[in-house]
Amino acid sequence: DAKTTQPPSMDCAEGRAANLPCNHSTISGNEYVYWYRQIHSQGPQYIIHGLKNNETNEMASLIITEDRKSSTLILPHATLRDTAVYYCIVVNAGNNRKLIWGLGTSLAVNP
Amino acid sequence: SQTIHQWPATLVQPVGSPLSLECTVEGTSNPNLYWYRQAAGRGLQLLFYSVGIGQISSEVPQNLSASRPQDRQFILSSKKLLLSDSGFYLCAWLRLGQNPNEQYFGPGTRLTVT
Repeated sequence: DAKTTQPPSMDCAEGRAANLPCNHSTISGNEYVYWYRQIHSQGPQYIIHGLKNNETNEMASLIITEDRKSSTLILPHATLRDTAVYYCIVVNAGNNRKLIWGLGTSLAVNP
Repeated sequence: SQTIHQWPATLVQPVGSPLSLECTVEGTSNPNLYWYRQAAGRGLQLLFYSVGIGQISSEVPQNLSASRPQDRQFILSSKKLLLSDSGFYLCAWLRLGQNPNEQYFGPGTRLTVT
């Protein structure tokens, strides 16, 4: 079973920041938080990951709470092309690299 | 650069017929390889993964099987398809390195069993 809880759907206005929450209250000390997204009828795409510290790359920012029980993916200026299902995944790096997928959050970016 | 191929893109098969889906990776060596299935409106379910030639781990008991005859080739098979085998099948590979779980996905095969 997935170790994360995400809202099933969210809306965001184009050009505004999209903040996608994820709860992972049972996360262990050596488990990472990964975010992927899946645009309709395509394979998932890696976005970002983190362990303890906040992370930023060209796609997004990841904010992890100090107790590591939750995190937020931030798309700073959402575009229509960011409409997708976003998956938050908790994974142990030593576990043969298996990813356990939940249902994700369906983000709709509106014009 | 690395590329992952899957074929066919779509497939319609009758119940009881055999299945063979192929996945190949270019531009890397000794990758971990994964087969996932995604039912409509659902998340991805890991079916099989492989850490090397001839090494297959099965995650879910089912009528599917997988084989890795070459380093960069991963095949998903069935002798007799069931209606419940319908779904979107995705192959992925993992490059071992600094990022322990950045998996790269192929374009997928949409299978409809009728």
